[in-house]
Amino acid sequence: AQSVTQPDIHITVSEGASLELRCNYSYGATPYLFWYVQSPGQGLQLLLKYFSGDTLVQGIKGFEAEFKRSQSSFNLRKPSVHWSDAAEYFCAVGATQTGANNLFFGTGTRLTVIP
Amino acid sequence: DAGVTQSPTHLIKTRGQQVTLRCSPKSGHDTVSWYQQALGQGPQFIFQYYEEEERQRGNFPDRFSGHQFPNYSSELNVNALWLGDSALYLCASSTRGFQETQYFGPGTRLLVL
Repeated sequence: AQSVTQPDIHITVSEGASLELRCNYSYGATPYLFWYVQSPGQGLQLLLKYFSGDTLVQGIKGFEAEFKRSQSSFNLRKPSVHWSDAAEYFCAVGATQTGANNLFFGTGTRLTVIP
Repeated sequence: DAGVTQSPTHLIKTRGQQVTLRCSPKSGHDTVSWYQQALGQGPQFIFQYYEEEERQRGNFPDRFSGHQFPNYSSELNVNALWLGDSALYLCASSTRGFQETQYFGPGTRLLVL
C-alpha cells in the first residue's frame, strides 16, 4: 500500500536561510510525487510535481525537489526562505496503479520563519 | 477563470444530523475528488466522481456519500454525524487520468458538537 512519511512535524528557519523538508514514500510502482502548500485557512496549492524524467524538479515560488529512487525520497528545498513561506507543507504520492489520480498525503510539516 | 469553489465556508452541526457540502470544479475539469483533513493531519481521500458516478473510494464508511451533476459540480453528504467528522473538507478537481494534477478548493470547515 502507498504511504508518505514526513518526519519533521515542525521546522523553524530564519528568513534568508536555506530550507529542506523531508519526504519519504512507499509505493510499489513508479511513483507520481507532489508537494502542496497550505496557508492558514486556505486550500492546498501545488508547488511542484514529479512524473518522470529529470529527477530535479523546479516549482513555483523558487522551490525545487529531488526524486531519489534509491532512498524513496522526494525532499523539497529552497535556497533562501522568505517570511511569506511560513505555511504547512504536504508531500503526496499519486495512486497510479488504480488508474486514478487520487492522492495519499503525509501528515505535513509546519514551517515557521523568524526574522 | 474561477478556480475550484466550495460552499459553505463554515458549518456547525450536532451529532446525528446530516450535512451536504458543495463543490464547483475549475473550468474545463470533469473529475471531482473529496478529501477530509482532520486537525493536524494530512488530507485523506474520500472518493472521486466522474461521469456522474463514484469511481474510486477511500476507507470511509457508507455514511459518506456523494453525487456529481451533469455540469460536473458535486456534493458530499454525510449522514449520522459524529464528533469525529469534524474536519476541513476539501474538494479537488482535475481532468480524467492518472497523470492529471488535482487543484484544490479552499475547503469547508465542519464542526460537529
